Amino acid sequence: ELKVEQNPLFLSMQEGKNYTIYCNYSTTSDRLYWYRQDPGKSLESLFVLLSNGAVKQEGRLMASLDTKARLSTLHITAAVHDLSATYFCAVDRNSGGSNYKLTFGKGTLLTVNP
Amino acid sequence: NAGVTQTPKFRILKIGQSMTLQCTQDMNHNYMYWYRQDPGMGLKLIYYSVGAGITDKGEVPNGYNVSRSTTEDFPLRLELAAPSQTSVYFCASSPPPTQYFGPGTRLTVL
Repeated sequence: ELKVEQNPLFLSMQEGKNYTIYCNYSTTSDRLYWYRQDPGKSLESLFVLLSNGAVKQEGRLMASLDTKARLSTLHITAAVHDLSATYFCAVDRNSGGSNYKLTFGKGTLLTVNP
Repeated sequence: NAGVTQTPKFRILKIGQSMTLQCTQDMNHNYMYWYRQDPGMGLKLIYYSVGAGITDKGEVPNGYNVSRSTTEDFPLRLELAAPSQTSVYFCASSPPPTQYFGPGTRLTVL
């Protein structure tokens, strides 16, 4: 059974600081997704990482994937209040297959304080 | 494009009642999914479909049924509602690989 663990689960940051959210998973996969969810809202796709060593950046967020370590990171640079949200990583349980079935982590609740 | 739409937004059911959650997408995606999200948790896959007429179980299918007669629609049926089905339900569609989520249906079973 695929397990996806995120840490930390709660993160309180000051504006302007840098931090990293970690996503570990238990079985081989080379498809990993990051989503953002604002309170009471739906999920917004941030990044799709499809190979070992993949790195993607959008604004103050950068995601990377190390399939050998079964680890993805979401790095936040110079945090701003608008980044406050819950961030989920999700791993494809059938990597290489054609069903794209995702297992989600529990999410990291990020609060950026002035 | 409206993207993925879900109805209703909110619903309260009594134990033993039945209902259908509606999901429609206008992006001509073949893949569609149903997830549930319990408080403080990530999403769990209930059912998915890779095209009209093709559906399969996810992690937590018990108590639910689906059908997919068209590319656009993927309804989720609850036959005998139980308190354990209190949750927020999200539908998603995908080209793939990216999955695009609908706004969700908040269901309470009392």
